[in-house]
Amino acid sequence: DQQVKQNSPSLSVQEGRISILNCDYTNSMFDYFLWYKKYPAEGPTFLISISSIKDKNEDGRFTVFLNKSAKHLSLHIVPSQPGDSAVYFCAASVHIIQGAQKLVFGQGTRLTINP
Amino acid sequence: DAGVTQSPTHLIKTRGQQVTLRCSPKSGHDTVSWYQQALGQGPQFIFQYYEEEERQRGNFPDRFSGHQFPNYSSELNVNALLLGDSALYLCASSLEWRTYEQYFGPGTRLTVT
Repeated sequence: DQQVKQNSPSLSVQEGRISILNCDYTNSMFDYFLWYKKYPAEGPTFLISISSIKDKNEDGRFTVFLNKSAKHLSLHIVPSQPGDSAVYFCAASVHIIQGAQKLVFGQGTRLTINP
Repeated sequence: DAGVTQSPTHLIKTRGQQVTLRCSPKSGHDTVSWYQQALGQGPQFIFQYYEEEERQRGNFPDRFSGHQFPNYSSELNVNALLLGDSALYLCASSLEWRTYEQYFGPGTRLTVT
């Protein structure tokens, strides 16, 4: 039961252009959505999050958009830089007991920025 | 500000053996979660600890157990290792009142032969 899905295993973008990574989910009980970046041999690094009551959150070059009716979110990176080349994971938080949440991850999308 | 640290970095064990992985949370964090990441997959939730108690367990057998110490550090123990336990084990820490925002350590790569 894959509740969070990233349907594109890989994405290649030219340096300076916009990178758009997509994520779909099925569980309406998710209350936060997060994006993580992962380099080889490192743990996931938190990038940006959005509450389920919002539809946009922006932090520097990163913007996350949430479309609740479509159960879809996307991460926009503008402009894309070579250092952005990594695997990106979409994650959603769900309550496990009162006050506590766990994360449910997608399978990841490998982003490659070409010079 | 020290981030999440994990030890060891790599580990090779034989089927049937037992293993202990260690995690120190980010400074100020009191909640620790453990995840297993198989090759080509996203991390899967194993369990979460707060106030030295296991709060919730994911879909993992009882061979997986854990512990949290008074200083908030944590251990993950896996008994009777199987080949399928080979994976990257990630520890994540958070604040109890904001557990959705989790910060991950570099992970321990476990190989079972």
